[in-house]
Amino acid sequence: DAKTTQPNSMESNEEEPVHLPCNHSTISGTDYIHWYRQLPSQGPEYVIHGLTSNVNNRMASLAIAEDRKSSTLILHRATLRDAAVYYCILATSSNTGKLIFGQGTTLQVKP
Amino acid sequence: NAGVTQTPKFQVLKTGQSMTLQCAQDMNHEYMSWYRQDPGMGLRLIHYSVGAGITDQGEVPNGYNVSRSTTEDFPLRLLSAAPSQTSVYFCASSSHKTTGNYGYTFGSGTRLTVV
Repeated sequence: DAKTTQPNSMESNEEEPVHLPCNHSTISGTDYIHWYRQLPSQGPEYVIHGLTSNVNNRMASLAIAEDRKSSTLILHRATLRDAAVYYCILATSSNTGKLIFGQGTTLQVKP
Repeated sequence: NAGVTQTPKFQVLKTGQSMTLQCAQDMNHEYMSWYRQDPGMGLRLIHYSVGAGITDQGEVPNGYNVSRSTTEDFPLRLLSAAPSQTSVYFCASSSHKTTGNYGYTFGSGTRLTVV
């Protein structure tokens, strides 16, 4: 399974944009890039995912590099409720039920 | 929709006891999986299933059994509990029909302590 690399932690100020990076240099052509977040004492929550093109939804945007070896999760205006661990995960297009989690990035949001 | 329901939410076991963690989903998802999360760590995949009657091992399968007799249920059985199995357990489900829009749905977890 292809691996991802994320910074251990990041800080942001409330109401400012946050860019969370992820490197996945061994990504294959059929791997989807998934982002999940985990709030304290809760299960992971789906945020967004994409294959090649940039994606937007109500929670965030996903910017995927042209060579697909890196991606960035963008929170347009961070709130205190966005403080969580963010996981960048590669999942095969066949969707075999396997998500292999890394350590993720712990995002702190300061008021 | 209830989503993914895990029971119990909390459990204390003695070393050597066996028990079954329950996971049920009402979204008609084909794919289900079990993860464990140790304190301060990321999630690790224990077992997963791509449909009724089909299961496979994940990263850390030892000490656990699963079965998938129905689409809705995916129980995780601890054969002989050990203190090393103290962890929070999460169940997740997904569908190839809906993954394009919603990804995986996780339950709220079962916190297990083995003494």
